[in-house]
Amino acid sequence: AQKVTQAQTEISVVEKEDVTLDCVYETRDTTYYLFWYKQPPSGELVFLIRRNSFDEQNEISGRYSWNFQKSTSSFNFTITASQVVDSAVYFCALSEDRNAGNMLTFGGGTRLMVKP
Amino acid sequence: DGGITQSPKYLFRKEGQNVTLSCEQNLNHDAMYWYRQDPGQGLRLIYYSQIVNDFQKGDIAEGYSVSREKKESFPLTVTSAQKNPTAFYLCASSNRADTQYFGPGTRLTVL
Repeated sequence: AQKVTQAQTEISVVEKEDVTLDCVYETRDTTYYLFWYKQPPSGELVFLIRRNSFDEQNEISGRYSWNFQKSTSSFNFTITASQVVDSAVYFCALSEDRNAGNMLTFGGGTRLMVKP
Repeated sequence: DGGITQSPKYLFRKEGQNVTLSCEQNLNHDAMYWYRQDPGQGLRLIYYSQIVNDFQKGDIAEGYSVSREKKESFPLTVTSAQKNPTAFYLCASSNRADTQYFGPGTRLTVL
């Protein structure tokens, strides 16, 4: 069965610090997709990134970067020079089987608080 | 603008009442999903639909029902059989096997 673990329930940093959110996943499939979503206080989930299991290249988008390592089943998310607007709950998710409804399994989320 | 709308934003239910949450999308997505989020927790799948007039149960379907009569609409009914319905409900849609995009959510409270 698929499983996603976000061991950090809450992280608090001061503005301009770098912060890494951890995500560890379990799957028996060789083909799968990993996602990160941001949930600001308004509640809506905002899509950040989608990565398939065959692409282990790290990705950078502005202050955001993602480190995908199949050897450790991890898909970590780093925010560089954090800002107050980054305060939110961040979810990592896994989609295991493309023909089984595209269902997502979510981790429990990490609440990030960025203080000015 | 293309997107997913959910209504109402806040909903209050009395014990024993059925209530229906609306979800509409104009993204021309084939698949739609309903998730439940409890405080401090991740999302759990209630129901999903890959095509019109077809839907499947997710992990926590008991006490809920859905319909998919139109491609753009996927309403969720929370029945009186759902013993603990107070939660945040999120609707999502996607093209098949693609990224899911989420609506703004409905917060349901049982009085």
